Amino acid sequence: SQQGEEDPQALSIQEGENATMNCSYKTSINNLQWYRQNSGRGLVHLILIRSNEREKHSGRLRVTLDTSKKSSSLLITASRAADTASYFCATPWGQNFVFGPGTRLSVLP
Amino acid sequence: GAVVSQHPSRVICKSGTSVKIECRSLDFQATTMFWYRQFPKQSLMLMATSNEGSKATYEQGVEKDKFLINHASLTLSTLTVTSAHPEDSSFYICSAWDRGLGNTIYFGEGSWLTVV
Repeated sequence: SQQGEEDPQALSIQEGENATMNCSYKTSINNLQWYRQNSGRGLVHLILIRSNEREKHSGRLRVTLDTSKKSSSLLITASRAADTASYFCATPWGQNFVFGPGTRLSVLP
Repeated sequence: GAVVSQHPSRVICKSGTSVKIECRSLDFQATTMFWYRQFPKQSLMLMATSNEGSKATYEQGVEKDKFLINHASLTLSTLTVTSAHPEDSSFYICSAWDRGLGNTIYFGEGSWLTVV
């Protein structure tokens, strides 16, 4: 399937540390997106990176894309307790997107 | 920015009854909306694609007679869980695609359904 897969599945860090999550996918894509979901809430779009981009920044977020390895990473720098959430990568599939299983990030104060 | 509203956020119903969940795009027209189901600590599973003015396209394994989807206008799609059973208890999320804003999908806040 096209489904992206994140690793690690769960990550627990201290406030102030950096958090890195990885996503792998199987077929060629035009873009890849990262979403955040607080527990029991909807998803919030974080960032979209296109296939011709290698790196993109948004505030404390840094996303990389390596199309040769079919992988992407999301780095959250100087993490805060409020960053505690699940993070999903999503890749296009028809007119929709396929979501990976997600990484559950816990940032401890 | 674009906002998608989902209602109700939580609903408890008795087995055998039907429940309707609404998904509205508040400041854009959404020709396409998506309905997902999410179990605890799992990812989103696409149930169906809802296109305005036409029948929904259901994913394999999703019973169209049980999960009725109606997309009667460019701003509203509804999901009706018919003859609900406890195993239908789940978190249901809708999303809407604003083609005018490019390739980004906006999500509702989700609806917790508990069938007792």
